[in-house]
Amino acid sequence: AQTVTQSQPEMSVQEAETVTLSCTYDTSESDYYLFWYKQPPSRQMILVIRQEAYKQQNATENRFSVNFQKAAKSFSLKISDSQLGDAAMYFCAYRSALRNSGNTPLVFGKGTRLSVIA
Amino acid sequence: DTGVSQNPRHKITKRGQNVTFRCDPISEHNRLYWYRQTLGQGPEFLTYFQNEAQLEKSRLLSDRFSAERPKGSFSTLEIQRTEQGDSAMYLCASSLLQGFQETQYFGPGTRLLVL
Repeated sequence: AQTVTQSQPEMSVQEAETVTLSCTYDTSESDYYLFWYKQPPSRQMILVIRQEAYKQQNATENRFSVNFQKAAKSFSLKISDSQLGDAAMYFCAYRSALRNSGNTPLVFGKGTRLSVIA
Repeated sequence: DTGVSQNPRHKITKRGQNVTFRCDPISEHNRLYWYRQTLGQGPEFLTYFQNEAQLEKSRLLSDRFSAERPKGSFSTLEIQRTEQGDSAMYLCASSLLQGFQETQYFGPGTRLLVL
C-alpha cells in the first residue's frame, strides 16, 4: 500500500517570503500522480497543483511550484511571495495511475499547517 | 457550475442514532468519493462510485455505514447506530474520468459530532 509522509506538522513564513513544504511517499508503482491540496480553516479543500510522475518537468501554478524527485520519492511544494491568504493546512496526496488500477482514491499525508506572519 | 455541495454542514447526534449525509457532485462528474477526516489527520478513503455503481469500499467502512448513488447523481452516506468514534468530518469529492485524466474536487464536508 502507498503511504504519504509530511514531516512538518507546522510551518510559518513571513509575508512576501518563500516557504517549502516537504512530502515523501512510498510506492512500488512507476506511474502515478501527486497533488497538493489546500484546506483553509473551515473551508473546503482545493487543489493547488498536480504532477504526473511520467513528466520530468516540475509543475508550476503562479506562485506555487513543486520539486519532484522521483528517485527519492520526494514531492515538495514551494510557495513564493507568501500572502496572508496562503495560511491553511496543506495536504500532499498520491493517486495510482488508472493504468494500474481502476480504483483511484487519493492517499493523503497528515498535513502541514502553514501560518503566514504579517 | 456551483461545485460540490454537502448537506448538512454540521450534525450533532446522540450515540445510537442514525444519521444521513448528502453530497451533490459537480454536474456530469461520473465519479464520486467519500472520505473521512479526523482531527489532525488527512482524509481517508471510505468508498467510491462510478456512475451509480459502488465499486470499492474501504475496510474503514463498517457494516454500520452504507452509501448509495441512485441514478448516478447525488449520493447519500448513512451511519446507523452512531458511535463516538464516528465523530469526524465527512468529505465528498467528485471527478470526471476522461481517459486516464482525473482530478477530484472536494465539497465543504459534513462535520459530525456524536455525543
